[in-house]
Amino acid sequence: ELKVEQNPLFLSMQEGKNYTIYCNYSTTSDRLYWYRQDPGKSLESLFVLLSNGAVKQEGRLMASLDTKARLSTLHITAAVHDLSATYFCAVDRYGNKLVFGAGTILRVKS
Amino acid sequence: ETGVTQTPRHLVMGMTNKKSLKCEQHLGHNAMYWYKQSAKKPLELMFVYNFKEQTENNSVPSRFSPECPNSSHLFLHLHTLQPEDSALYLCASSQGGDFRQGYGYTFGSGTRLTVV
Repeated sequence: ELKVEQNPLFLSMQEGKNYTIYCNYSTTSDRLYWYRQDPGKSLESLFVLLSNGAVKQEGRLMASLDTKARLSTLHITAAVHDLSATYFCAVDRYGNKLVFGAGTILRVKS
Repeated sequence: ETGVTQTPRHLVMGMTNKKSLKCEQHLGHNAMYWYKQSAKKPLELMFVYNFKEQTENNSVPSRFSPECPNSSHLFLHLHTLQPEDSALYLCASSQGGDFRQGYGYTFGSGTRLTVV
């Protein structure tokens, strides 16, 4: 059974600081996704990582994938308040079933 | 506008009521999903439909009954629910079919369900 673990589950950080969210998964997977969710809103797609060593960046967020370690990271650079949200990683097996991590609640304080 | 539309956005129902959630996608996708998001649990996959056929039922109680009349529409029929069924129900769609051909899931805004 595919399991996805995220840590930390809650992250409070100061503006301007850097931090990393980790996502481990238990079995071989085809694709890894990162989503953002604001309170009361749906899931917004951030990144799709398709292969070992894949790295994608958008603004202050950078995601990477190590399929051998079954690990993805979401790195936050110089955090700003607008990044406060819940971040989910999800793993796709066989292209038609997403399994989600528990989510990381990120709060960026001024 | 996400391309996946869910209605209603909010629903309050009694335990003896029958109601339905609706999801519609305008993306030409062939696979549709129901997920449940509770306050203290990870997102849980409930049902998967590929080309209108149900391919996954993740041990969901029978008081939840999905229906997929065509590739663009997905319903979740609810009856005799329990208070613990209160949650955000998210619909999603994807290309489906051969996993090598496409990827990416689009989520609707969700229906916030409260069972009283």
